[in-house]
Amino acid sequence: AQTVTQSQPEMSVQEAETVTLSCTYDTSESNYYLFWYKQPPSRQMILVIRQEAYKQQNATENRFSVNFQKAAKSFSLKISDSQLGDTAMYFCAFISGTYKYIFGTGTRLKVLA
Amino acid sequence: KAGVTQTPRYLIKTRGQQVTLSCSPISGHRSVSWYQQTPGQGLQFLFEYFSETQRNKGNFPGRFSGRQFSNSRSEMNVSTLELGDSALYLCASSLEQGNRYGYTFGSGTRLTVV
Repeated sequence: AQTVTQSQPEMSVQEAETVTLSCTYDTSESNYYLFWYKQPPSRQMILVIRQEAYKQQNATENRFSVNFQKAAKSFSLKISDSQLGDTAMYFCAFISGTYKYIFGTGTRLKVLA
Repeated sequence: KAGVTQTPRYLIKTRGQQVTLSCSPISGHRSVSWYQQTPGQGLQFLFEYFSETQRNKGNFPGRFSGRQFSNSRSEMNVSTLELGDSALYLCASSLEQGNRYGYTFGSGTRLTVV
């Protein structure tokens, strides 16, 4: 069975610092896609970043970047220069040929002023 | 362009009643997926509709059903409500089935069953 694991239920970081959120997954498929979504208190989930498994280059979107280790089945999210607006739940997600998204349980990130 | 619109935002129902939730996807998006989010179970996939056909289904009882109209709007229905159905129901739209490019989510409907 395919699974996504986020082992850090809660994290905090000082404003302007860097934080890394962990995600591991398990699959026997070779072609798949990985995502990080952010859910602020407003409840609306927002796509932060996306990674295609066949691409070795790590995805980057402004202050957000990933460390994708395919062999280790690891997909961590790094947030640089953390801002108060980054306070949210962060979900790691996976989709493959079955077309069913699998979400992790989430990491609650709090950015401290 | 308008985002994904879910109505209503909040709903309180009594056990045993039924409820219908609505989702209007982004214009041009043909796929609509529904998720149930609870503190204990996280995000669980309910079903996906594409071009008015259910393409994928999660592991929920038959009390949970949905449909999609020709304009891509989707409704989700839950019959014989149970206390455990209290949750945030999220709708997500995408251009294609089994979206590889990521979803656009609505703000959800918070359902409370009393």
